[in-house]
Amino acid sequence: AQSVTQPDIHITVSEGASLELRCNYSYGATPYLFWYVQSPGQGLQLLLKYFSGDTLVQGIKGFEAEFKRSQSSFNLRKPSVHWSDAAEYFCAVGLGGYNKLIFGAGTRLAVHP
Amino acid sequence: EPEVTQTPSHQVTQMGQEVILRCVPISNHLYFYWYRQILGQKVEFLVSFYNNEISEKSEIFDDQFSVERPDGSNFTLKIRSTKLEDSAMYFCASSQAHRTSGAGLPTQETQYFGPGTRLLVL
Repeated sequence: AQSVTQPDIHITVSEGASLELRCNYSYGATPYLFWYVQSPGQGLQLLLKYFSGDTLVQGIKGFEAEFKRSQSSFNLRKPSVHWSDAAEYFCAVGLGGYNKLIFGAGTRLAVHP
Repeated sequence: EPEVTQTPSHQVTQMGQEVILRCVPISNHLYFYWYRQILGQKVEFLVSFYNNEISEKSEIFDDQFSVERPDGSNFTLKIRSTKLEDSAMYFCASSQAHRTSGAGLPTQETQYFGPGTRLLVL
């Protein structure tokens, strides 16, 4: 069955530090991959997506993610974190076809000043 | 930028009562979805809807749930008789029509989510 794993439940970084959030997926075909961010009390905002082509994708707010097929991973990165990046981050895989998204459990990011 | 809207933002109801959660998808989108997120848990797919019928539903989406597109703009989720375990944040999402790849297979369109309705069943 398809699944998404985000191994880190909580991550704390200092403002200005670099960030990497891990995501691994299990899916037999070529996945469609997404990262969404949920700020407190807010909905899910799309950060970036990968469908095909260049495996390094750029998103909003200075985020990027790299698709590595050999590792079944789609890790999210940011070179310098801002306090406003504190939020919960969800990785998701789309199955195409009926278009359902399967979400990981999320990683809650805290940013220290 | 167009966005998905949902009403109400919060709803408190008594167990056994019916609730209707409302969503206005992005206007040129054709696919509509409901997801839910129980507090502290992952976002779970409930149902997808296209061309006035359900495309897919999860095992969560039992006979207590129904969806409807009553007019050209609204998309609703009804819970007929709420249970305590229905307490969750409910997200509506919409996407454009699916394109197909060169092999004729449907590709994945981005789903845009609304801000959610937080439902509390007492």
